[in-house]
Amino acid sequence: GQQVMQIPQYQHVQEGEDFTTYCNSSTTLSNIQWYKQRPGGHPVFLIQLVKSGEVKKQKRLTFQFGEAKKNSSLHITATQTTDVGTYFCAGPGGGSNYKLTFGKGTLLTVNP
Amino acid sequence: EAGVAQSPRYKIIEKRQSVAFWCNPISGHATLYWYQQILGQGPKLLIQFQNNGVVDDSQLPKDRFSAERLKGVDSTLKIQPAKLEDSAVYLCASSLRINQPQHFGDGTRLSIL
Repeated sequence: GQQVMQIPQYQHVQEGEDFTTYCNSSTTLSNIQWYKQRPGGHPVFLIQLVKSGEVKKQKRLTFQFGEAKKNSSLHITATQTTDVGTYFCAGPGGGSNYKLTFGKGTLLTVNP
Repeated sequence: EAGVAQSPRYKIIEKRQSVAFWCNPISGHATLYWYQQILGQGPKLLIQFQNNGVVDDSQLPKDRFSAERLKGVDSTLKIQPAKLEDSAVYLCASSLRINQPQHFGDGTRLSIL
């Protein structure tokens, strides 16, 4: 079945440093979604990318969808302590075009 | 707008007992999802409803798990009998339609003794 892999599993940075997490799918995706989960919280939707090569920005966050629509990245510029949490990518797969498969996530911790 | 409501927030039971979780999605959201999230992993879809019909339940352990959304609004997920490996957070989510952004509830943290 479809697999969604994320690296790194953990990332610890100093406040002000940049952070990037990468997502790779074993199959081509019609779209990819990113979620953030704070410690003890629930996943919160960040963004959905649909087009090949698409780049979207939300303040200090930059999301990119690969040309082949099999990979994606999330880059945070100048991290802040409020960025702490686990970032998940999720894409439809598993034989269907609507069932989301989540990656294992990247846990970001920020040292003030 | 009110978010996705789930109850209870926490539940502790012994193995072989039964347990039920309740979810009320955002008003007007046709699609409802139940996920299982084990510590350190991403949410795993158990079952997905479109209104009151099941769209996907391929990863639901049907010998012990059941779910319903009879009137196409709120939903219940039941486990009977529970096993130790069912210890997890059970998340409910809803979206306006299939393939739209999902809104998650706070989840139910289930501990099996």
